Amino acid sequence: ETGVTQSPTHLIKTRGQQVTLRCSSQSGHNTVSWYQQALGQGPQFIFQYYREEENGRGNFPPRFSGLQFPNYSSELNVNALELDDSALYLCASSLVGRRGGNEQYFGPGTRLTVT
Amino acid sequence: AQSVSQHNHHVILSEAASLELGCNYSYGGTVNLFWYVQYPGQHLQLLLKYFSGDPLVKGIKGFEAEFIKSKFSFNLRKPSVQWSDTAEYFCAHAGGYNKLIFGAGTRLAVHP
Repeated sequence: ETGVTQSPTHLIKTRGQQVTLRCSSQSGHNTVSWYQQALGQGPQFIFQYYREEENGRGNFPPRFSGLQFPNYSSELNVNALELDDSALYLCASSLVGRRGGNEQYFGPGTRLTVT
Repeated sequence: AQSVSQHNHHVILSEAASLELGCNYSYGGTVNLFWYVQYPGQHLQLLLKYFSGDPLVKGIKGFEAEFIKSKFSFNLRKPSVQWSDTAEYFCAHAGGYNKLIFGAGTRLAVHP
């Protein structure tokens, strides 16, 4: 166990709807990153939050947005869901500023199915 | 653009066989390389990492990896696999913003 938790575990939504996924970082970590893992592929970086601000973004449209709270928990919001958004969404926390701080600890993921 | 490629998508081995999974990365700057493992039904776990120093890195569960700068490679090895090593293995490189760039993964099946 990494200490990173995510909720819900599974979610089914309809195309066009909106969804919010939640992540609780490992204690002491100040950075959270979100990844999308489509079936049969490696995780793809969505964005990262550091000190409650977006600190880097991958090749995802603006309908993917996020928040980081003072307790370092985080949300991923996806608007206007599309069928291709069906994937496992992973949250990873890390401690930026520590030597070797690129080491990220992953949660179990949220499986999103869009129908 | 930075990328990571893994040579084998599926590998099938018998117990006690030796394992080598290939990984190549494209970035020529600062090197931060990782191997992660995803056991069935479990979350991604860090096997080992390389930032600098000895290019032969030892990780958990008897795994090791060798960083070869001239080949932009970071291959994962294990001398003798066990049935419990059945999992999906991901090579990753840390790019800008501390983001991880993953390869497509290699599914390893170990038969008793």
